[in-house]
Amino acid sequence: EPEVTQTPSHQVTQMGQEVILRCVPISNHLYFYWYRQILGQKVEFLVSFYNNEISEKSEIFDDQFSVERPDGSNFTLKIRSTKLEDSAMYFCASSPRATQYFGPGTRLTVL
Amino acid sequence: AQKVTQAQTEISVVEKEDVTLDCVYETRDTTYYLFWYKQPPSGELVFLIRRNSFDEQNEISGRYSWNFQKSTSSFNFTITASQVVDSAVYFCALSEGSNTGNQFYFGTGTSLTVIP
Repeated sequence: EPEVTQTPSHQVTQMGQEVILRCVPISNHLYFYWYRQILGQKVEFLVSFYNNEISEKSEIFDDQFSVERPDGSNFTLKIRSTKLEDSAMYFCASSPRATQYFGPGTRLTVL
Repeated sequence: AQKVTQAQTEISVVEKEDVTLDCVYETRDTTYYLFWYKQPPSGELVFLIRRNSFDEQNEISGRYSWNFQKSTSSFNFTITASQVVDSAVYFCALSEGSNTGNQFYFGTGTSLTVIP
């Protein structure tokens, strides 16, 4: 059964550094998303992407964040200058229509 | 205001007991989708079920069943004869509108512990 994959599983970075989180959505899906979950809290929407552009973004998704689909398979989330409060689990999801299928997540730790 | 409320933060049951996880949602849209996801200790989010706003038929899948009631804006999830492997955090989520690709609004989750 096709799955969403994410790399790396765990990323440790210093405050102020740039990080890129990578996702490979399910191949025939059209909609892509990033969510984050701060430890012990609920899952929060960051951004959705369709037809090579952002379709919706939340207040969390400020100028420090960007997304890209550099080729036909990868979907990336970039954080330009990480802050301590960016430490969280980041989930990528993709959907063919209504149901979103989530990847295993990347745990980002900002020191 | 929260669009999805899961009032039960933590629940503990003894194995083989039945347990119901509550979910109350709020939306002004007439078309919407509701979901349940399971997050086991390993951390991934596992899709369990989707319901659209026009389909109030309850659903049963093995030991799992879901009760959707628009009159009370609730979408509750029952696990029958719980097992230790059911221990996880369960999230209810709402997607508004008829357009696909809309964001999910998650509840705060209910942590279920099944004691052997």
